[in-house]
Amino acid sequence: AQSVTQLDSHVSVSEGTPVLLRCNYSSSYSPSLFWYVQHPNKGLQLLLKYTSAATLVKGINGFEAEFKKSETSFHLTKPSAHMSDAAEYFCVVRRTGRRALTFGSGTRLQVQP
Amino acid sequence: GAVVSQHPSWVICKSGTSVKIECRSLDFQATTMFWYRQFPKQSLMLMATSNEGSKATYEQGVEKDKFLINHASLTLSTLTVTSAHPEDSSFYICSARSIEEETQYFGPGTRLLVL
Repeated sequence: AQSVTQLDSHVSVSEGTPVLLRCNYSSSYSPSLFWYVQHPNKGLQLLLKYTSAATLVKGINGFEAEFKKSETSFHLTKPSAHMSDAAEYFCVVRRTGRRALTFGSGTRLQVQP
Repeated sequence: GAVVSQHPSWVICKSGTSVKIECRSLDFQATTMFWYRQFPKQSLMLMATSNEGSKATYEQGVEKDKFLINHASLTLSTLTVTSAHPEDSSFYICSARSIEEETQYFGPGTRLLVL
């Protein structure tokens, strides 16, 4: 069965500094992995997705993630945090053959001025 | 981009009543829609997968007679919480998968409060 583990429930950074949100996955097969962001009182928005093409995936708003099979990781990064990045971030894996998504526990990103 | 709407955005009801939540894909056709539930400060948990024209597939532990799902068209799925109780209070989120691509697009969610 596929699953994801988000290693930090809460991350706090200063505006302008790099962001690293960690995610490890468990999958018997080559997984499809996603990062979604949830702003308060707004719907989930897809940041980026990995579907066995390039291992470095670039997403919206300057975010990117690198699929590392040897480490079973799919960490989300951004070179410079912006105040508007403050939100809840979910690492997600798609279940093989089911199309349904399994969500990680989420990481709340706080950006300090 | 693809847009998914939910209606209502929030609802308060009395215990014992039924509540219907609609999920619509506004600018694309979705053969498959998904219903999730999110408790405060927790992650999304898949409740059921809804396929157009067929019965929904429920996750283990989700009562199909309590959470009725109908997917009558390629753009509309409904979730009805029957005989709602306070423990059903939660944030319900739907997503829709377009025919053309694998990406799921999420609705803004419906907050349900059962008194």
